[in-house]
Amino acid sequence: QQPVQSPQAVILREGEDAVINCSSSKALYSVHWYRQKHGEAPVFLMILLKGGEQKGHEKISASFNEKKQQSSLYLTASQLSYSGTYFCGTEMNTGNQFYFGTGTSLTVIP
Amino acid sequence: GAGVSQSPRYKVAKRGQDVALRCDPISGHVSLFWYQQALGQGPEFLTYFQNEAQLDKSGLPSDRFFAERPEGSVSTLKIQRTQQEDSAVYLCASSLRPRNQPQHFGDGTRLSIL
Repeated sequence: QQPVQSPQAVILREGEDAVINCSSSKALYSVHWYRQKHGEAPVFLMILLKGGEQKGHEKISASFNEKKQQSSLYLTASQLSYSGTYFCGTEMNTGNQFYFGTGTSLTVIP
Repeated sequence: GAGVSQSPRYKVAKRGQDVALRCDPISGHVSLFWYQQALGQGPEFLTYFQNEAQLDKSGLPSDRFFAERPEGSVSTLKIQRTQQEDSAVYLCASSLRPRNQPQHFGDGTRLSIL
């Protein structure tokens, strides 16, 4: 049930771009993206809904391919503050469970 | 406004003891989730409440784990006869409505079983 993320880890220089992928084996109702810094709680970044609607509040974009049950998070012109572990989270079409992905560790260096 | 509050922040217990972890969600939030996060892993779903109703407890690892939210606000996660494998960070999250809503997380309770 746990979505698989790729890559597992990535190191960027400030200003570089990154893409993080999330893939599920189950039919999805929505995909969330969260960022968690070491020792802190996950922080919401974005929701992608079936039908293409996005809800988010940071300068980060994402896509959701409903047919393939895949989502990608796009980080452009990365900043040092982008460092952390990124998790996708998935809501299924049925049920109330919420599954977080395997995580992607992102490190931005000067 | 106030965010999700969890207490205690840290809990150390001896194997076999019972523990109770508290979550105070954002006022008015209908949905409440509990997660278990082991070191270096992502949060794992434990249980879900919609108001006072526990609609899903499929993620609870064993019958030693019990959660309640009797008045639809504060929730308690109880672990009986704790074991070393219960050591983890327990996260609580709330959202305004079911489905399609951002989850707001508390800082978690770090539970260590000796």
